[in-house]
Amino acid sequence: QVQLVESGGGLVKPGGSLRLSCAASGFTFTYYYMGWVRQAPGKGLEWVSYISSSRSTTSYADSVKGRFTISWDNAKNSLYLQMNSLRAEDTAVYYCARYYYDSSGYFQHFDYWGQGTLVTVSS
Amino acid sequence: DIQMTQSPSSLSAFVGDRVTITCQASQDISKYLNWYQQNPGKAPKLLIYGASNLETGVPSRFSGSGSGTDFSLTISSLQPEDIATYYCQQYDNLPLTFGGGTKVEI
Repeated sequence: QVQLVESGGGLVKPGGSLRLSCAASGFTFTYYYMGWVRQAPGKGLEWVSYISSSRSTTSYADSVKGRFTISWDNAKNSLYLQMNSLRAEDTAVYYCARYYYDSSGYFQHFDYWGQGTLVTVSS
Repeated sequence: DIQMTQSPSSLSAFVGDRVTITCQASQDISKYLNWYQQNPGKAPKLLIYGASNLETGVPSRFSGSGSGTDFSLTISSLQPEDIATYYCQQYDNLPLTFGGGTKVEI
């Protein structure tokens, strides 16, 4: 079955860096986009980034563009989010999620989610 | 960016009630809308995709409808396990955007 397991969260000072990892298993990775969605404490969901099934295309929310980098490691079947220049407003639970994107583009959705990893940015 | 507005922000209903949550997009998004359920302390779960398609394994008491700018999620007979926050999400344009959520209580 599909499993997504995040790791790498923790406490970091403003301006610092952190790399989140998401170990994926149970599906054919080359068929799916992968993405990150975050949720600040007590708040709603916010899309952060995704990477295409070919891993050649990436997209980011404006709030993280230029600071965060999404990537995929084929050898480790893992998704990453490198987060630099962290700010207090980046404090959130970060979810790794599989993004179904059909060939027509008509159906797109996050169909499997990890359990999330908490990132706290504070001095 | 496309803004997604959900209403109400919270509701309380009885077991067995019919519950409807609405989601309005700031521009026409055709049927490019998904619904998710987030139980307390858990990751979100996909309920409805493409505005009206039930995800595999989701109980048939959940249904979605709408197109253009106005959408709704209906629970035909509210069950105790439906206590959750529900989010709509558009995928017509990047950035992907979510509604603010509707908290459902019994």
